[in-house]
Amino acid sequence: GAVVSQHPSRVICKSGTSVKIECRSLDFQATTMFWYRQFPKQSLMLMATSNEGSKATYEQGVEKDKFLINHASLTLSTLTVTSAHPEDSSFYICSARDLSNTEAFFGQGTRLTVV
Amino acid sequence: QKEVEQDPGPLSVPEGAIVSLNCTYSNSAFQYFMWYRQYSRKGPELLMYTYSSGNKEDGRFTAQVDKSSKYISLFIRDSQPSDSATYLCAMNPLDTGNQFYFGTGTSLTVIP
Repeated sequence: GAVVSQHPSRVICKSGTSVKIECRSLDFQATTMFWYRQFPKQSLMLMATSNEGSKATYEQGVEKDKFLINHASLTLSTLTVTSAHPEDSSFYICSARDLSNTEAFFGQGTRLTVV
Repeated sequence: QKEVEQDPGPLSVPEGAIVSLNCTYSNSAFQYFMWYRQYSRKGPELLMYTYSSGNKEDGRFTAQVDKSSKYISLFIRDSQPSDSATYLCAMNPLDTGNQFYFGTGTSLTVIP
């Protein structure tokens, strides 16, 4: 299957700082990328959908000024958690969908811990 | 009512057993059906996808879709301890294209 690389896999940051997470599709062009948040033993919660070259569409309840998403190219999307707080600690996962608009492939996830 | 319903388990089976994982859905617009496997602290890994009713087989895994009943299944034959993971079903409508709808995931443990 196609490969989606997410970096970093783990990050610890101080409260009030910002953290950037990168999501790259390595062997295909991703017109759409999705960002999810996952709490322990729970399913994926969609945060936002981003299309290359346009603004991300955020799900209800997700603060767009806090979770900045940039989909600058067909192979790269970034999620920046701004002014992070301990309650933002979670597992963040991206997924990318190719031009054929069928299945989506996931990154390895990023474990964010805000101290 | 959730778009996709999946029994969270946990499900525990002995090695070699046949495992049946299931999801039901309510939206008849769903056309693509996927199964993902997620190990602890890892991102989901696509196992199988299908877009038609019937069975699709890949090694020890068989995906089954019954659109008339809005019911999908994943069967794992000769289950192995390495199959221990959370299995997520996912669906996607054909026309709107973008959003995927996930089940809550079923936690599976295969006991050696």
